[in-house]
Amino acid sequence: DIQMTQSPSSLSASVGDRVTITCRASQNINNYLNWYQQKPGIAPKLLIYAASNLQSGVPSRFRGSGSGTDFTLTITTLQPEDFATYYCQQSFSTLFTFGPGTKVDVK
Amino acid sequence: EMQLVESGGGLVQPGGSLRLSCAASGFTFSDYWMSWVRQAPGKGLEWVASIKRDGGEIYYVDSVKGRFTVSRDNSKNSVYLEMNSLSAEDTALYYCARDPAMGKDWYFDLWGRGTLVTVSS
Repeated sequence: DIQMTQSPSSLSASVGDRVTITCRASQNINNYLNWYQQKPGIAPKLLIYAASNLQSGVPSRFRGSGSGTDFTLTITTLQPEDFATYYCQQSFSTLFTFGPGTKVDVK
Repeated sequence: EMQLVESGGGLVQPGGSLRLSCAASGFTFSDYWMSWVRQAPGKGLEWVASIKRDGGEIYYVDSVKGRFTVSRDNSKNSVYLEMNSLSAEDTALYYCARDPAMGKDWYFDLWGRGTLVTVSS
C-alpha cells in the first residue's frame, strides 16, 4: 500500500498569513494527489484534485503543486474560515490512502 | 441540490453486524463510482471501500476484506455497506462519498454527513 505523510501535523497561523502544508507519498504517484479540508463536525470538502486542479467553487487562494512523491498545499492569504484540518489523499492506487492530516489553528 | 444521506449506524456488540445505506439525490447516480470513508473519533480519514458505476469492480481496504461488503442499487440511487464481525476498531463515523472517476483522476467530490457506528458491549 502507498503510505502518505504530512508535515507539519499542526501549525498556528494568523489571518493574512501564507500557509504551506507538505504531503509525501511512499512511492511515485505522478500527480494523483487530492487535498481536502475538514472542519469539526463537518464532512470533508474537496479543495484540489490531480495535484493542482482547483475544485469548482473553491477560492483561488488555495493552490496545489507537486508531482512524483512530494506535494504542497498553499493557502496564499489565510482567511478566518480556513482554520481547519487538511488531508492529502493519493489516487494512484485504487487502494486509496489519506495522509494523517494537518491542523491549522489560530496563533 | 446534490446530496448524499447515510443511515443505518448505531450501537452494536462486538462480533455483530450492521448494514449502512447511502441515498443519493440531485445527480445521475449511475454515472459515479461510490465509496465509503470512515473516521474514528478524533482520528483521520480512512478509505474503506469503493464500487464501480455498474457494480462490476469493487475494492476494499485490507482491514475490512472478508468482513465488509459494498453493493449498490442504481434503480434506488443507493449504495450499501454490509458490515460483519465488527470490532471496536470499526467504531467510526462512516461517510458515503461520490467519485466522478474521470479518466485516471479519482477524487471524492461530494460527501454525506456520515452515520456513526459504535461497537461496544
